[in-house]
Amino acid sequence: QQQVKQSPQSLIVQKGGISIINCAYENTAFDYFPWYQQFPGKGPALLIAIRPDVSEKKEGRFTISFNKSAKQFSLHIMDSQPGDSATYFCAASKNTNAGKSTFGDGTTLTVKP
Amino acid sequence: NAGVTQTPKFQVLKTGQSMTLQCAQDMNHEYMSWYRQDPGMGLRLIHYSVGAGITDQGEVPNGYNVSRSTTEDFPLRLLSAAPSQTSVYFCASSYGGSGYGYTFGSGTRLTVV
Repeated sequence: QQQVKQSPQSLIVQKGGISIINCAYENTAFDYFPWYQQFPGKGPALLIAIRPDVSEKKEGRFTISFNKSAKQFSLHIMDSQPGDSATYFCAASKNTNAGKSTFGDGTTLTVKP
Repeated sequence: NAGVTQTPKFQVLKTGQSMTLQCAQDMNHEYMSWYRQDPGMGLRLIHYSVGAGITDQGEVPNGYNVSRSTTEDFPLRLLSAAPSQTSVYFCASSYGGSGYGYTFGSGTRLTVV
């Protein structure tokens, strides 16, 4: 049973456009929702994260929107750039077991110049 | 400050051989985890540790052993390698409790023939 479902699997966006990646979770005990960015041949790197007590968090061009009632959260990349081309993973964990994060299957983003 | 260091970066094993993937972190993180990454399947948790002397199983523990004798090191042992264990392995660490994301190593690409 997959606890975090991520969509789409792949995404192509023009330079300057908005990239949107969605995740849905099942376990209401999750209380930490990070996004990771992974370039080919590298390990994932923490990009931005949110707790369920806020509905939105923005860091530069990256925004997380969180809908607790729908058990969904999404990553928005504004003014997408070719350098944003990477694989993005959403994840979820709970405070009582923070070493046990559950990841989505990933979204491969391609930003065309 | 090296972060999370994984060795080796690449390894080819024959079916039935054993080996140890090394992972070390210098950030004094309590939590350490091992994930495997397969195409289209995201990151799946193998084993994790919430502190020295404490380990637990993740989603796909069969065929792997871990131990945590120090805060810094968390080796992953493949007992008898199988082709199904061909994957990219990532070690990650984090501070204890929710609200902290992972720092990942650069990965070990393992091929079992």
